Amino acid sequence: DTGVSQDPRHKITKRGQNVTFRCDPISEHNRLYWYRQTLGQGPEFLTYFQNEAQLEKSRLLSDRFSAERPKGSFSTLEIQRTEQGDSAMYLCASSFRAGTGQETQYFGPGTRLLVL
Amino acid sequence: GQSLEQPSEVTAVEGAIVQINCTYQTSGFYGLSWYQQHDGGAPTFLSYNALDGLEETGRFSSFLSRSDSYGYLLLQELQMKDSASYFCAVRDRGEGGSYIPTFGRGTSLIVHP
Repeated sequence: DTGVSQDPRHKITKRGQNVTFRCDPISEHNRLYWYRQTLGQGPEFLTYFQNEAQLEKSRLLSDRFSAERPKGSFSTLEIQRTEQGDSAMYLCASSFRAGTGQETQYFGPGTRLLVL
Repeated sequence: GQSLEQPSEVTAVEGAIVQINCTYQTSGFYGLSWYQQHDGGAPTFLSYNALDGLEETGRFSSFLSRSDSYGYLLLQELQMKDSASYFCAVRDRGEGGSYIPTFGRGTSLIVHP
């Protein structure tokens, strides 16, 4: 399977614990995005990387959230001191921006986080 | 800032045609995209409009009018498998200067036999 993969698919944790999610993008894609999605809402942008550089962070991303993309390949999203409000689906997407400006995002299956 | 408006739910019968509208407000504009998401699944790309007019891909078409800040997704010959959520998305300038994707809240399409 050469699509975007995410690990784990499900995570249950207790409030106050730290969690880390991994995303492996499509290999030739230079851009990688993280989103959060709750029930009945569209994906909310969190942050994105072009190669290894983190170019944009949403105001939604509090200091408890950190993302990395070492060597411009896979990425990790860490949430420290989790809160019940962090419960959501965390989606990763990768893309390659064409010279025309079009950029199709390919989403992974997501990691569903439940904070008890 | 940016905002997108789309209906929360649309229902139709198999074989019918349905149109899902999207209006947007952005400080810049970098194209309108549509994504489909089945329950429990990931969003998948359907179409992209950068210029005014209609783009057709099989049973799905997407339209854009930049002067009206409006677009729609048209689904023809509806099938039961088309029951899903449909999101319109634009790019808007983020605080770091990049154009970042912004998704609408989604339209739940229910197709009845």
